[in-house]
Amino acid sequence: KAGVTQTPRYLIKTRGQQVTLSCSPISGHRSVSWYQQTPGQGLQFLFEYFSETQRNKGNFPGRFSGRQFSNSRSEMNVSTLELGDSALYLCASSDRVSYNSPLHFGNGTRLTVT
Amino acid sequence: QKEVEQNSGPLSVPEGAIASLNCTYSDRVSQSFFWYRQYSGKSPELIMSIYSNGDKEDGRFTAQLNKASQYVSLLIRDSQPSDSATYLCAVNFNKFYFGSGTKLNVKP
Repeated sequence: KAGVTQTPRYLIKTRGQQVTLSCSPISGHRSVSWYQQTPGQGLQFLFEYFSETQRNKGNFPGRFSGRQFSNSRSEMNVSTLELGDSALYLCASSDRVSYNSPLHFGNGTRLTVT
Repeated sequence: QKEVEQNSGPLSVPEGAIASLNCTYSDRVSQSFFWYRQYSGKSPELIMSIYSNGDKEDGRFTAQLNKASQYVSLLIRDSQPSDSATYLCAVNFNKFYFGSGTKLNVKP
């Protein structure tokens, strides 16, 4: 099975711009979660989508949004970028069949805001 | 209080030694527990999962879970320099909560 695929791998944007990140989960996985990782803050949960519905949401401002499509692919959008948004953005998928289902991470998108 | 706590390290052990990584969590209804390894600049990789009290062994790795004391640990036997990474503890109660990770250095 192919793993979780995130595109693009690297992005450089300017403050005030917006950005869209894409994630294709492992085939058959209906849950997609997004995390932000910075050296000082560790892994911070953004949101989780399951069957096109947002299931959980972290404590991020409304500039961060996401969606999931019928094929389980997910996109995350960040509007009005700030310097502090520079981070590694990780997508993880799960089959969520039970509490024992782990998360499987993609390679991430490294976003640099200048 | 953070849901999942880990010592940030770094934890330094000599090659061939046992590395012991610990994690405590706050929610008593947690169902499942995971250890992820993350190399610098890479994404987290699942290495162990444990759901019941006791030990679970997989090769050089042993995960230990004590729900009454709310801690989970990871033992790495015969540590190798290639084990040098940050180890993230994750706990699943409705959603996943991650610790901040423990950095492990295995010295040749």
